[in-house]
Amino acid sequence: GAVVSQHPSRVICKSGTSVKIECRSLDFQATTMFWYRQFPKKSLMLMATSNEGSKATYEQGVEKDKFLINHASLTLSTLTVTSAHPEDSSFYICSAGSGLAGNYNEQFFGPGTRLTVL
Amino acid sequence: SQQGEEDPQALSIQEGENATMNCSYKTSINNLQWYRQNSGRGLVHLILIRSNEREKHSGRLRVTLDTSKKSSSLLITASRAADTASYFCASQETSGSRLTFGEGTQLTVNP
Repeated sequence: GAVVSQHPSRVICKSGTSVKIECRSLDFQATTMFWYRQFPKKSLMLMATSNEGSKATYEQGVEKDKFLINHASLTLSTLTVTSAHPEDSSFYICSAGSGLAGNYNEQFFGPGTRLTVL
Repeated sequence: SQQGEEDPQALSIQEGENATMNCSYKTSINNLQWYRQNSGRGLVHLILIRSNEREKHSGRLRVTLDTSKKSSSLLITASRAADTASYFCASQETSGSRLTFGEGTQLTVNP
């Protein structure tokens, strides 16, 4: 099956620093990747849609200068949380649509990255 | 975007019982999907039902879809302790587009 990895799985940083999270599709090419944010015991909120080779599309209310997204290749997208503050502490999850066998509906999710900003 | 709603928010049952979770969504859809999430983990795709389908089965899972009411239900039969997790519905407006998640149901199956 299609596998999506995220790195790191957990990161603790000081307020004001920047953190980069990687999302990789390991055995398929993903032209589109999605970045979600999840607070404890809450649902997933879509932050942005990342398309390979073009600028990401951000959801309303998500600061694009705060959450930098790069999708430089068909297997890698990165999310950089710039000048992180404690309120940015959350669980960040990426997903990728594989398009396997013409199925563009199913998304495969990474295991998530737990960010804690002190 | 507006989240869909799910109920109940939390459900606690005994092993062997059936668990039913409901979901409502707000827009017209191409399909609706159900995902499972174990605590602190990523999501696992369970089942997808298309807008022209009314019911679908996969193992112990049964999903229904009522597009007139913009609602769906997930039934897990003969539950097991290992089914303990959060369950989310997610609607997809067009093929390959973004998913809009419901609030989720936390299911606890007691051994």
